[in-house]
Amino acid sequence: EVQLVESGGGLVKPGGSLRLSCAASGFTFSSYSMNWVRQAPGKGLEWVSSISSSSSYIYYADSVKGRFTISRDNAKNSLYLQMNSLRAEDTAVYYCARGVSGSYPEWFDPWGQGTLVTVSS
Amino acid sequence: SYVLTQPPSVSVAPGKTARITCGGNNIGSKSVHWYQQKPGQAPVLVIYYDSDRPSGIPERFSGSNSGNTATLTISRVEAGDEADYYCQVWDSSSDLVVFGGGTKLTVL
Repeated sequence: EVQLVESGGGLVKPGGSLRLSCAASGFTFSSYSMNWVRQAPGKGLEWVSSISSSSSYIYYADSVKGRFTISRDNAKNSLYLQMNSLRAEDTAVYYCARGVSGSYPEWFDPWGQGTLVTVSS
Repeated sequence: SYVLTQPPSVSVAPGKTARITCGGNNIGSKSVHWYQQKPGQAPVLVIYYDSDRPSGIPERFSGSNSGNTATLTISRVEAGDEADYYCQVWDSSSDLVVFGGGTKLTVL
């Protein structure tokens, strides 16, 4: 069974940093692109970042470019999101989602259950 | 940047057909994917590549895409279909993933 489990969320002050992790199992992690998508409380889905299977291609939403860094460790079947200079508007549930093979994001399936990040003083 | 426009809400009676639209400039030239999200749960892919269904998704779910509008159609709607639905594309001109604002489907 394909499983994605996010961790690392929590409460952080504005300007602070946080590192999210996503542990993958049940599939050949190194063959798939991976993605982060967030959802602010009561709001819709917002794509954050994507990384290709070999880390050759990385994409960011304009809202996080220069502040967030996506990375992966294929040996550990893990995806990461380093978040710096956090703002109140970054408060959201962050989902890890599997992509498809290839150099750019297409659809996302499946998704993890998400981890909540709250940015507040 | 590319914008996808969805109606905020759609209501339908049980057993009837629900159609949820996703508008975008020449969206017919892009591949559209659809997700279902029930309260407190993670999104689930229901349609990819405009009209393909992942395994486990009922045949009642179908999709189409032409011109400036993509449509998710749910036939013989059931109470369990009540959820938020999102369309999504990859905009290759800007290297960005774009989601629609979401549509809340209410089963009357």
